[in-house]
Amino acid sequence: QVQLQESGPGLVKPSGTLSLTCSVSGGSIRGYYWSWIRRPPGKGLEWIGNMYYTGTTNYNPSLKSRVTMSIDPSKNQFSLELTSVTAADTAVYYCAKKTGSYYDNYFDYWGQGILVTVSS
Amino acid sequence: QSVLTQPPSASGTPGQKVTISCSGGTSNIGSNTVHWYQQLPGTAPKLLVYSHNQRSSGVPDRFSGSKSGNSASLAISGLQSEDEADYFCATWDDSLNGPVFGGGTKLTVL
Repeated sequence: QVQLQESGPGLVKPSGTLSLTCSVSGGSIRGYYWSWIRRPPGKGLEWIGNMYYTGTTNYNPSLKSRVTMSIDPSKNQFSLELTSVTAADTAVYYCAKKTGSYYDNYFDYWGQGILVTVSS
Repeated sequence: QSVLTQPPSASGTPGQKVTISCSGGTSNIGSNTVHWYQQLPGTAPKLLVYSHNQRSSGVPDRFSGSKSGNSASLAISGLQSEDEADYFCATWDDSLNGPVFGGGTKLTVL
């Protein structure tokens, strides 16, 4: 059973950089796509980006200029960096495993989520 | 504002059948498969139904999904108190070149 666990600071200052790591256990990170998704308070889910274990990325165009995802197969971890954060980036951030085909894909395993608050 | 439109709330009494709708457009629901996630209070989203009507492992057959045109729906029959949760629809969007979600529907079991 694949398990994912997010880690990182729960508080980030405005204009700063949000950095999170997702540790994967119970299975290899190799051969799969890995994603970050967030849910702002009182709102729905928003896809941030996907990364293949080889390093190929695909980001949400609305966040693309501020997002960087990276992956370390040797540690079975992948990471998210979001720069120039504002209060609008306050959300619960989830890492997830993506499965399925290119157009018929979905998230079959999720981390428990980590609340990141942007505030001075 | 979410790309896919869901009613913000739904409710029913134990044993009833409830249907949650999800509306999109030709670039998303109209041309791709739809998936549903359940998020119980304080927990991570869980895959409930994928590829329109395939139930994820362990999901009871009380849950069923369907799609027609640019809309989809999730039906929950024999409603139980433990079904009280937020439900999200999701699909691929050809314009975004990525997945999109609905705003979520909070289901209350009265």
